[in-house]
Amino acid sequence: QQQVKQSPQSLIVQKGGISIINCAYENTAFDYFPWYQQFPGKGPALLIAIRPDVSEKKEGRFTISFNKSAKQFSLHIMDSQPGDSATYFCAAHYAHGGSQGNLIFGKGTKLSVKP
Amino acid sequence: EAQVTQNPRYLITVTGKKLTVTCSQNMNHEYMSWYRQDPGLGLRQIYYSMNVEVTDKGDVPEGYKVSRKEKRNFPLILESPSPNQTSLYFCASSLSIRSGNQPQHFGDGTRLSIL
Repeated sequence: QQQVKQSPQSLIVQKGGISIINCAYENTAFDYFPWYQQFPGKGPALLIAIRPDVSEKKEGRFTISFNKSAKQFSLHIMDSQPGDSATYFCAAHYAHGGSQGNLIFGKGTKLSVKP
Repeated sequence: EAQVTQNPRYLITVTGKKLTVTCSQNMNHEYMSWYRQDPGLGLRQIYYSMNVEVTDKGDVPEGYKVSRKEKRNFPLILESPSPNQTSLYFCASSLSIRSGNQPQHFGDGTRLSIL
């Protein structure tokens, strides 16, 4: 199944709190899991990514937790700031054939961080 | 500066009047893709291209055409636009899609309104 299910659709967090966005997938052929961040009026941009042989990756306040057996991964934003207010997309990559592949996106989570 | 450039950024037009949204990248990327973004539906892929003269349908190709005659350009053509194609469109490119660790670079979007 070439789908990535993302939740919640929207999230409101107080400044300094932890934001958590979850994604789930079915296809075990997915081999790379990036997160993209989109600010209003802009295109999405790569935020952080993880391979399925790693359980956690941290970059500053952003952490991906990956549970291969459960086929789930999540983005944690520690000490959330108003500047983190954006739409976040999880994604999953798969390769097929010798030279082909594609990237499947979740439906996005709109995060609002209140001052 | 490495970038993906879309034109126009905004367009209001009428049903049935053919239009083209241009997309150009200056990074010598092999892979290019078009998405539409609608509230609650996230990013849905319209068409993608692995390389020059190689294009394939994404999830929602109906009513759209693309071409890839040169590596840098990937125009999206709406031969007979209809109101259900009113949306925010993004073009993206990456060095390759064979490996998941090549980030996709997005343009800033084209907002189309079809009356």
